[in-house]
Amino acid sequence: GDSVTQTEGQVALSEEDFLTIHCNYSASGYPALFWYVQYPGEGPQFLFRASRDKEKGSSRGFEATYNKETTSFHLQKASVQESDSAVYYCALGPQGTGSKLSFGKGAKLTVSP
Amino acid sequence: DAGVTQTPRHEVAEKGQTIILKCEPVSGHNDLFWYRQTKIQGLELLSYFRSKSLMEDGGAFKDRFKAEMLNSSFSTLKIQPTEPKDSAVYLCASSLWDTYEQYFGPGTRLTVL
Repeated sequence: GDSVTQTEGQVALSEEDFLTIHCNYSASGYPALFWYVQYPGEGPQFLFRASRDKEKGSSRGFEATYNKETTSFHLQKASVQESDSAVYYCALGPQGTGSKLSFGKGAKLTVSP
Repeated sequence: DAGVTQTPRHEVAEKGQTIILKCEPVSGHNDLFWYRQTKIQGLELLSYFRSKSLMEDGGAFKDRFKAEMLNSSFSTLKIQPTEPKDSAVYLCASSLWDTYEQYFGPGTRLTVL
């Protein structure tokens, strides 16, 4: 079945470092791709999405570009802050209508001051 | 707008007990999801409802987990009987069927002794 793979379980950075969290997907066609963020004690919350090849999604300084050739949707931020410490989930949605998502295992980002 | 509400926030149960977790989705949302979240497995889908109809019932969770939507604004997840391995955070999410974005509640942290 369709799935996403996140290779980093934990990411440790210092403030102002550049962030990359990798996400690769396995699916036919053009599934919608998402990033969600989960802060301690809260449920995940939608960050942004992309649905077409080369489309860039972005929010709060984070961005990712849909790449059909490499089947990737890597999350990046130019300069992380301590407040960005959270768990980041990549997710894959259906190609037609519907809202069921397949989530990756998540990457825990810890940013030190 | 009120978000997704989950009660209780914390639950402690003895092995073999029956517990019921509750969820109130965002008003007007058609889709409702129950997930189990653990550090090892990440987010696992337990059940998926569309307009109160059960669309998917996670295979591995069928025997002791039962989710119901009593009406469009209330859902329950029953675990019967509980086992220590059920200790996890249980998340409820809702969405409009054609918008992909899921809104999550804060979760219920279940500890089974």
